[in-house]
Amino acid sequence: GENVEQHPSTLSVQEGDSAVIKCTYSDSASNYFPWYKQELGKRPQLIIDIRSNVGEKKDQRIAVTLNKTAKHFSLHITETQPEDSAVYFCAASGGSTLGRLYFGRGTQLTVWP
Amino acid sequence: GAGVSQSPSNKVTEKGKDVELRCDPISGHTALYWYRQSLGQGLEFLIYFQGNSAPDKSGLPSDRFSAERTGGSVSTLTIQRTQQEDSAVYLCASSPRGETQYFGPGTRLLVL
Repeated sequence: GENVEQHPSTLSVQEGDSAVIKCTYSDSASNYFPWYKQELGKRPQLIIDIRSNVGEKKDQRIAVTLNKTAKHFSLHITETQPEDSAVYFCAASGGSTLGRLYFGRGTQLTVWP
Repeated sequence: GAGVSQSPSNKVTEKGKDVELRCDPISGHTALYWYRQSLGQGLEFLIYFQGNSAPDKSGLPSDRFSAERTGGSVSTLTIQRTQQEDSAVYLCASSPRGETQYFGPGTRLLVL
């Protein structure tokens, strides 16, 4: 099956700075890559996703980039705010095991005011 | 519309007891997933149901864990003879086509 690696495991930034979280995947057939945000004590929630026919997608302060050749994708958050503090999970699907999402281990992002 | 719901929200049980956790997916979603999340950890896949296909049980950690999905809707995760290491948050998610997953609030299980 798919293997998703996520880095870094923890990330601290100053309010207003940018944050970048990177993920790699192993199955070249994977074609769907969502990102989830989980605040403390809450459920994971989808914040942005990208499909393999697109190289970049933006939604206000959040962007995701995908490099299919290198099999990696990244989440970019600009102008970070304290409320961006949470655990972020990347995931991949669409490969040999259809319907399964393979999650990275998560990144704890802390934004200091 | 209504999201994924789970019950109970919290469950405290004694070691050795059986527990049942319930998940009500979003209406019309054909795919349903169970995950386990220990404190401060990631999402551990347990089992996946897609329509009428045989479930993918590859993530179940032992034969004490089982799950059913009746009528293509509600699912129940059963843990028999609970152990302290089973203490975790159990998350259910549903998906319309097996891609984007929508999570429920989870059941916090504490085994004493």
